[in-house]
Amino acid sequence: QKEVEQDPGPLSVPEGAIVSLNCTYSNSAFQYFMWYRQYSRKGPELLMYTYSSGNKEDGRFTAQVDKSSKYISLFIRDSQPSDSATYLCAMSFLSGGYNKLIFGAGTRLAVHP
Amino acid sequence: DARVTQTPRDKVTEMGQEVTMRCQPILGHNTVFWYRQTMMQGLELLAYFRNRAPLDDSGMPKDRFSAEMPDATLATLKIQPSEPRDSAVYFCASGLDLPGGGTGELFFGEGSRLTVL
Repeated sequence: QKEVEQDPGPLSVPEGAIVSLNCTYSNSAFQYFMWYRQYSRKGPELLMYTYSSGNKEDGRFTAQVDKSSKYISLFIRDSQPSDSATYLCAMSFLSGGYNKLIFGAGTRLAVHP
Repeated sequence: DARVTQTPRDKVTEMGQEVTMRCQPILGHNTVFWYRQTMMQGLELLAYFRNRAPLDDSGMPKDRFSAEMPDATLATLKIQPSEPRDSAVYFCASGLDLPGGGTGELFFGEGSRLTVL
């Protein structure tokens, strides 16, 4: 079993839809939770960063962490075609003095006009 | 516009050949990571450097892979000899240590797409 599980999709939604992306994890040592977005032929870029359980909002994006259930989510409101990308969850904990970052497999999202 | 630069963007080579990938981290960043991305395995951590010192290369096949940082502006990942199963996109990322410990946001390059025939 992988430490971080993420449904690879693909997920196809119409423009304006609310998108829900999820990851589960097994290691309770994870302290930091991130969502990265990766466009085709590009490197991942950080979208959201949370430390504790609860919600964090940034524009149309909301990140949610439930440590008791070992479950994190990313919600995208009013989705746009420009949101079409692969979304990777990532989690980290301090190991050997640095944040060992573990990525999920990524969910491919397509938002069609 | 500060960014991580990787070369080559694309590389096609024959099995058994040596492959060297290069990365220029963002100026001032003190941590460098090498990741490999495949459809099957996703992003896997290969190696990690802090202040040019290798701290973790447990994800790297030791017999054929090697990673170095000859200076603060250059990180290299070498495969010798290359095999078809090494075909993947290799990403370099750099970051800064956080004051309270740990590494902050990672900035990724655009990757080196390697195909070994």
